[in-house]
Amino acid sequence: GAVVSQHPSWVICKSGTSVKIECRSLDFQATTMFWYRQFPKQSLMLMATSNEGSKATYEQGVEKDKFLINHASLTLSTLTVTSAHPEDSSFYICSAAAEAVGGTQYFGPGTRLTVL
Amino acid sequence: GENVEQHPSTLSVQEGDSAVIKCTYSDSASNYFPWYKQELGKGPQLIIDIRSNVGEKKDQRIAVTLNKTAKHFSLHITETQPEDSAVYFCAARDSSASKIIFGSGTRLSIRP
Repeated sequence: GAVVSQHPSWVICKSGTSVKIECRSLDFQATTMFWYRQFPKQSLMLMATSNEGSKATYEQGVEKDKFLINHASLTLSTLTVTSAHPEDSSFYICSAAAEAVGGTQYFGPGTRLTVL
Repeated sequence: GENVEQHPSTLSVQEGDSAVIKCTYSDSASNYFPWYKQELGKGPQLIIDIRSNVGEKKDQRIAVTLNKTAKHFSLHITETQPEDSAVYFCAARDSSASKIIFGSGTRLSIRP
């Protein structure tokens, strides 16, 4: 299957700082990328959907000014958690999809964010 | 929008036995149903998927069935092995958008 990478795999930051997470599709061009967050022992909750070159569509209840998403190219999307607080600590997972891979969503390995 | 329910939340089976996980969905226009396996600390891995134009799909020990009329779909794992222990998520693609809606997950444990 197609490969999606994320960087970093884990990050610890102080409260009030911003953290950027990168998501890359390695062997296909992703027209659409998705960002999820997952709390322990819970399911994946979609945060936003982004298409290359356009603004992201955020799910209800997700603050777009806090979670900045940029999808500048067909292989890279970034999620920036601004002014992070301890309640933002979570497992953030991206996925990428394209018609070239049958529209299937392939997921990255996730990024563990811990805010102190 | 789409809503996906998944049962059971936990499942323990003897090694070598079969495991079945069931899901229902609400949007009759949904047309794509993937299943993901997630191991601790990792991202979900696609293990099998089915589209609405077929009723069953099999890949070695894994099979998925789809009943569009009842809006049910199920994952069947035969001859379970210890490495099958993980959390499994069913999902459905919302027909109004490209996003996937996940079920709540099933924690599968394989007893030696």
